[in-house]
Amino acid sequence: EDKVVQSPLSLVVHEGDTVTLNCSYEVTNFRSLLWYKQEKKAPTFLFMLTSSGIEKKSGRLSSILDKKELFSILNITATQTGDSAIYLCAVLNDYKLSFGAGTTVTVRA
Amino acid sequence: SAVISQKPSRDICQRGTSLTIQCQVDSQVTMMFWYRQQPGQSLTLIATANQGSEATYESGFVIDKFPISRPNLTFSTLTVSNMSPEDSSIYLCSVVGDSKNTEAFFGQGTRLTVV
Repeated sequence: EDKVVQSPLSLVVHEGDTVTLNCSYEVTNFRSLLWYKQEKKAPTFLFMLTSSGIEKKSGRLSSILDKKELFSILNITATQTGDSAIYLCAVLNDYKLSFGAGTTVTVRA
Repeated sequence: SAVISQKPSRDICQRGTSLTIQCQVDSQVTMMFWYRQQPGQSLTLIATANQGSEATYESGFVIDKFPISRPNLTFSTLTVSNMSPEDSSIYLCSVVGDSKNTEAFFGQGTRLTVV
């Protein structure tokens, strides 16, 4: 059975802190790993990772994939209150998109 | 990319009734998924909807409760049947583009409250 495990499930930080979110997976026929941010209903796309060791960056967010150890991390530097959200990791294979439980990040002013 | 129009955005329904949620995609895509997100939880896959064949349901979900139609490559419906308050959730449809390296796109979501 395909598995996507995120940790921690929640964390609280102060503005300016750096957070690291983890995602490990076990899936057959891996195609890609995706990170999303969810604030309301529909998740917002952040990154798609297909190759090991290549860091993707967007502003203060970055992510990297390790296909040998089957995990990915999402980093947020210099956090702001607007970063407060649920961060979802999902893994796509040839027939299914499976989500982890999500990490709830709360950034306090 | 793909743009998905999902309707309705929200609804309040009486227990025992059924609600049909629609997703219209602006391009043809093979893979379409339906998810449920209960309060405080992540997205749980209900089923994969492939055009021209029966939907594939995940463990814990059955066709009688969540019938799905996929008449063509741009449209799908999910019906939540004989609703109870436990069905109160956000329901999301999602598609993945047919090219190899493509993200998943989501409809706007349907917030369902069963009273």
